[in-house]
Amino acid sequence: EAGVTQFPSHSVIEKGQTVTLRCDPISGHDNLYWYRRVMGKEIKFLLHFVKESKQDESGMPNNRFLAERTGGTYSTLKVQPAELEDSGVYFCASSQGSSFDYGYTFGSGTRLTVV
Amino acid sequence: QKEVEQDPGPLSVPEGAIVSLNCTYSNSAFQYFMWYRQYSRKGPELLMYTYSSGNKEDGRFTAQVDKSSKYISLFIRDSQPSDSATYLCAMSEFGPGAGSYQLTFGKGTKLSVIP
Repeated sequence: EAGVTQFPSHSVIEKGQTVTLRCDPISGHDNLYWYRRVMGKEIKFLLHFVKESKQDESGMPNNRFLAERTGGTYSTLKVQPAELEDSGVYFCASSQGSSFDYGYTFGSGTRLTVV
Repeated sequence: QKEVEQDPGPLSVPEGAIVSLNCTYSNSAFQYFMWYRQYSRKGPELLMYTYSSGNKEDGRFTAQVDKSSKYISLFIRDSQPSDSATYLCAMSEFGPGAGSYQLTFGKGTKLSVIP
């Protein structure tokens, strides 16, 4: 079974540019989450999709961030325009069902550097 | 005051030692407590989870939760070099399947087990 896949693994962009991160969850997982770790800080929740619907987007920092999950499959997280403080590692995770035994699998993350 | 406090270390122990990792938290609404292990350049991987107070054992790993003290621990017995990683505690008010299922993480403790 393939795990959660994130593209790209690393992105370096200039302040003011746009970047789109992609997450392919484990096939069949209805729940998809985005988290972010800024340098020196904790991993923080951004949002939660159930299929194509945003269940909880309380962690999104501002309106420069736009997440989508078309057709309930892969998800994208767009940052437009990027600011220096957006640098960090963006993790995607997916899960199926309502039990911890089903797991909550994280991808390896996208390391975003804004210069 | 941060919601979850975790000493970032680094912690270095000899092979075979017992390792104790800890987190304190301030939000009394947390009911689910998890420990994740993260290897370099990888996503967090769920090690153990517990609901409410008590102990849980899985092989060389034991998780303890003391809700009255708002304190959780992870013990690793007979530590191995392959245990070298960053260990993150995480907590949530609600479990998987709940409408708002988001994890609050500690900063993580970097552990090195020396052969």
